[in-house]
Amino acid sequence: DIQMTQSPSSLSASVGDRVTITCRASQGISNYLAWYQQKPGKVPKLLIYAASTLQSGVPSRFSGSGSGTDFTLTISSLQPEDVATYYCQKYSSAPWTFGQGTKVEIK
Amino acid sequence: EVQLVESGGGLVQPGGSLRLSCVASGFTFNDYWMSWVRQAPGKGLEWVANIKQDGSEKYYVDSVKGRFTTSRDNAKNSLSLQMISLRAEDTAMYYCARISMAVAGQDYWGQGTLVTVSS
Repeated sequence: DIQMTQSPSSLSASVGDRVTITCRASQGISNYLAWYQQKPGKVPKLLIYAASTLQSGVPSRFSGSGSGTDFTLTISSLQPEDVATYYCQKYSSAPWTFGQGTKVEIK
Repeated sequence: EVQLVESGGGLVQPGGSLRLSCVASGFTFNDYWMSWVRQAPGKGLEWVANIKQDGSEKYYVDSVKGRFTTSRDNAKNSLSLQMISLRAEDTAMYYCARISMAVAGQDYWGQGTLVTVSS
């Protein structure tokens, strides 16, 4: 099965900072990658699919890129409401594996 | 408004069984693939299963194959997860989620139902 590895596991940044999270697939998955945001005590929310397509209603400060094995989620200007754990997920074929998550905090 | 409401969670002994249900509303249920995703306390998300619109295709994570079965009743807008031979490591919040029309991730999630496997 294809493994999904996120880095870093956690990060702390200041409001207004540019934040980048990386997700690496152990084999190529084309662009079959989604990103989710899970705020503390809340259910996950789909942010991005097809590696770079913003889900409706998601702020434009979120963006995704990549194809094949290497992907990134970028928050262009970190806001206090972005404190959350972020997960990537491959959906090229079953199993639809998630990455282990990246916890984002405000410094 | 899309709504997914899970039920059926609870405390069960190792080796026991449990059936989770999810009732959907606010969209045409039989137009969508559906998913189960779980999250152990303090841990990350784990995809559990997907089921096609008509139930003809089902996929499971290896750790539950042969123990969990998902099904759906499109007439009742409902999704089920039958779980047998439960283990301590199955303890988690179980989420029912709708897979997007593009089959590109889960775009709506229920609030979850907690399953605790313990003696």
